[in-house]
Amino acid sequence: AQSVTQLGSHVSVSEGALVLLRCNYSSSVPPYLFWYVQYPNQGLQLLLKYTTGATLVKGINGFEAEFKKSETSFHLTKPSAHMSDAAEYFCAVTTTGTASKLTFGTGTRLQVTL
Amino acid sequence: DAGVIQSPRHEVTEMGQEVTLRCKPISGHDYLFWYRQTMMRGLELLIYFNNNVPIDDSGMPEDRFSAKMPNASFSTLKIQPSEPRDSAVYFCASSLSRGGYTFGSGTRLTVV
Repeated sequence: AQSVTQLGSHVSVSEGALVLLRCNYSSSVPPYLFWYVQYPNQGLQLLLKYTTGATLVKGINGFEAEFKKSETSFHLTKPSAHMSDAAEYFCAVTTTGTASKLTFGTGTRLQVTL
Repeated sequence: DAGVIQSPRHEVTEMGQEVTLRCKPISGHDYLFWYRQTMMRGLELLIYFNNNVPIDDSGMPEDRFSAKMPNASFSTLKIQPSEPRDSAVYFCASSLSRGGYTFGSGTRLTVV
């Protein structure tokens, strides 16, 4: 079975500071990994995904994530936080193709302060 | 493209009543998923369809829940009878075979 663990249910950073949201996965076969963002009262929006190929993946809004097989990690980063980045972020995994059912982490709420 | 459209956005109903949630996926997408989101349990996959056929309904909590997809442009999730513990935000998502999910804005269900 596949699973993801998001370390830290709440993360607070200052505007302009580095954003680092952690995600570790468990899978017996090569995973496909995703990050989604959810703004209040909205659905989830795809930020970026890793399927195969380059392990550093760039997404929307300046976010990127690196797939590290040796560490079973897929951490999300952004060099400089903006107030508009405040939202909940979900890591997700699937192993049978990008359309198959995703298993989501419990989410990390990002707070950005002045 | 209007994206995945869910209706209603909010639903308040009394315990024991039937509730029907609706979803219109993105045209051309061949997968449709129903998720439930609560504070306690996070995001849970309830059921998903491929080409209108239910593939996996193992996440449907009990017989009170049912889902249908009569055609490629419409799906429903029905709860009968509803209970207060069904209160949650229900999301529909659609995707292509090799694409990521596109989520709707959700239906916030409150059962009193």
